[in-house]
Amino acid sequence: DGGITQSPKYLFRKEGQNVTLSCEQNLNHDAMYWYRQDPGQGLRLIYYSQIVNDFQKGDIAEGYSVSREKKESFPLTVTSAQKNPTAFYLCASRRDRADTQYFGPGTRLTVL
Amino acid sequence: QKEVEQNSGPLSVPEGAIASLNCTYSDRGSQSFFWYRQYSGKSPELIMSIYSNGDKEDGRFTAQLNKASQYVSLLIRDSQPSDSATYLCAVNLSYGGATNKLIFGTGTLLAVQP
Repeated sequence: DGGITQSPKYLFRKEGQNVTLSCEQNLNHDAMYWYRQDPGQGLRLIYYSQIVNDFQKGDIAEGYSVSREKKESFPLTVTSAQKNPTAFYLCASRRDRADTQYFGPGTRLTVL
Repeated sequence: QKEVEQNSGPLSVPEGAIASLNCTYSDRGSQSFFWYRQYSGKSPELIMSIYSNGDKEDGRFTAQLNKASQYVSLLIRDSQPSDSATYLCAVNLSYGGATNKLIFGTGTLLAVQP
């Protein structure tokens, strides 16, 4: 059963903590993306990766970090430097030579 | 000027009517265009993609693209209550290129009244 999985579905963080959101895909897609969605706003790109061991900052990368050690996995760390991390986080992937992105189910992060 | 603009709605239509959702974009170099549907609390799911001027039909959905006017729309025929969701317009500057990134509008909330 192919697809994109994200975990956890809900995550609660205390101020000052780093947390890592998981994104895994078994679609053999080359490119992976992280977006953030806030109420009343569109999706905003945090980081993206076209190939393993390479990634680029998106429009709102400050306070976030990523790694891409395996093709299937693109974890996102929300660091304590991110001042307003409460949001819905979406991971997406895209196969090479195509431009359609498909989304995982999302992780809702709340800072307590 | 926002890169991709949509009316936030809500757009309310009666069941069985045609819902018309509109989107304008600012970059004339945009190559590909997408409509995603997002139910409350869920992730976006792809409904339609369109690359050429004109209409593209898929079941009850029709996407329309006019690159000269920098305008893309989505028509939903025979609207059903299950179509009630937020519809996101997304635009891509390049096709399959190294900088392949989607720019999203803020979405239009559609409410189909039974």
